[in-house]
Amino acid sequence: EPEVTQTPSHQVTQMGQEVILRCVPISNHLYFYWYRQILGQKVEFLVSFYNNEISEKSEIFDDQFSVERPDGSNFTLKIRSTKLEDSAMYFCASSESGTAYGYTFGSGTRLTVV
Amino acid sequence: EDQVTQSPEALRLQEGESSSLNCSYTVSGLRGLFWYRQDPGKGPEFLFTLYSAGEEKEKERLKATLTKKESFLHITAPKPEDSATYLCAVQEDTGFQKLVFGTGTRLLVSP
Repeated sequence: EPEVTQTPSHQVTQMGQEVILRCVPISNHLYFYWYRQILGQKVEFLVSFYNNEISEKSEIFDDQFSVERPDGSNFTLKIRSTKLEDSAMYFCASSESGTAYGYTFGSGTRLTVV
Repeated sequence: EDQVTQSPEALRLQEGESSSLNCSYTVSGLRGLFWYRQDPGKGPEFLFTLYSAGEEKEKERLKATLTKKESFLHITAPKPEDSATYLCAVQEDTGFQKLVFGTGTRLLVSP
């Protein structure tokens, strides 16, 4: 069964450092997403990406965040200057269409900012 | 105001003891309601999508139903391997694709 692959599974970084989280979506999917889940809290939407541009973003997704699809297979989330409150599980997801049919989520990257 | 509220927060069942999880939602227009299962340290795993009131879907011991204000996930004769957090999410009919999640119900099934 096709899956969304995320690397690394766990990343520890110092406050103020830049991090890049990587994702390989399912190959025939066209819509890509990042969500995050702070420990013990809800899964929260960050950004959606379609046709090489951001289609929607939340208030969380400020100027410190950016996304990119650098080639035909990868989808990345960059945090320019990490803060302690950025510590969370970050999930990448992809879907074949933007309609209500379920996304496929990756297993996540646990980001710890120290 | 939360758009998606799940109850109970946690539920402990004995193996074989059937029960239901609730998801209440408030959106102006519903494109779809999703149920996901999440195991510790893992990403949400898709279970069902429901589109309109009255719709029902089943998968093994799970059955999801939808009304205009809430959805239920019925678990029949659960097994220990059904232990997980069950997440409900809605997608609004606004032209955007994002999912809005509830806080989930942590289910523990004891043998």
